[in-house]
Amino acid sequence: QKEVEQNSGPLSVPEGAIASLNCTYSDRGSQSFFWYRQYSGKSPELIMFIYSNGDKEDGRFTAQLNKASQYVSLLIRDSQPSDSATYLCAVNSEGGSYIPTFGRGTSLIVHP
Amino acid sequence: EPEVTQTPSHQVTQMGQEVILRCVPISNHLYFYWYRQILGQKVEFLVSFYNNEISEKSEIFDDQFSVERPDGSNFTLKIRSTKLEDSAMYFCASNGQPNQPQHFGDGTRLSIL
Repeated sequence: QKEVEQNSGPLSVPEGAIASLNCTYSDRGSQSFFWYRQYSGKSPELIMFIYSNGDKEDGRFTAQLNKASQYVSLLIRDSQPSDSATYLCAVNSEGGSYIPTFGRGTSLIVHP
Repeated sequence: EPEVTQTPSHQVTQMGQEVILRCVPISNHLYFYWYRQILGQKVEFLVSFYNNEISEKSEIFDDQFSVERPDGSNFTLKIRSTKLEDSAMYFCASNGQPNQPQHFGDGTRLSIL
């Protein structure tokens, strides 16, 4: 059973701060990693994806992947109240099923 | 930017009735998916579809469920004899290659009374 674990939160940060969201996964064969943002009652929206160890930056977002330690994180710089949402981590394992396993998500609250 | 579209946005149905949820995936995508999210819970995979056949399905996707691509653009999920516990958000997603990010539609909120 492939597991993807996230702290449910809520993670509360002040506006302008860095929000750090973490995700661990159980399957060492995992190859593709995705972060989705989900506002309440809405669908998951892709924020970032990463395939290789290290950092990947896109605007205010940075995804960090460490396959040896089996974790992936998402940093949000200069957090805004509009970033308040649930962030879902999803992990694909290749060589078989490409169906991503989703974590439960971390609720982020950015307060003014 | 192309997007996945789903209809209806909200479906209210009596228990025991059949429902059909509709999706139009992104036009050049080849892989299609249905997911379910019960209120407050995680996104759960139901089924994937490629080349006009089911490629993978979860334990949730039992004989009550079926999928179809009736024409070149639509992708449907049918739920027969609905139960109260089928109440959830149902999301359709698609991608061009299986290891690529999936793009989600806005979802259909299914309420079973």
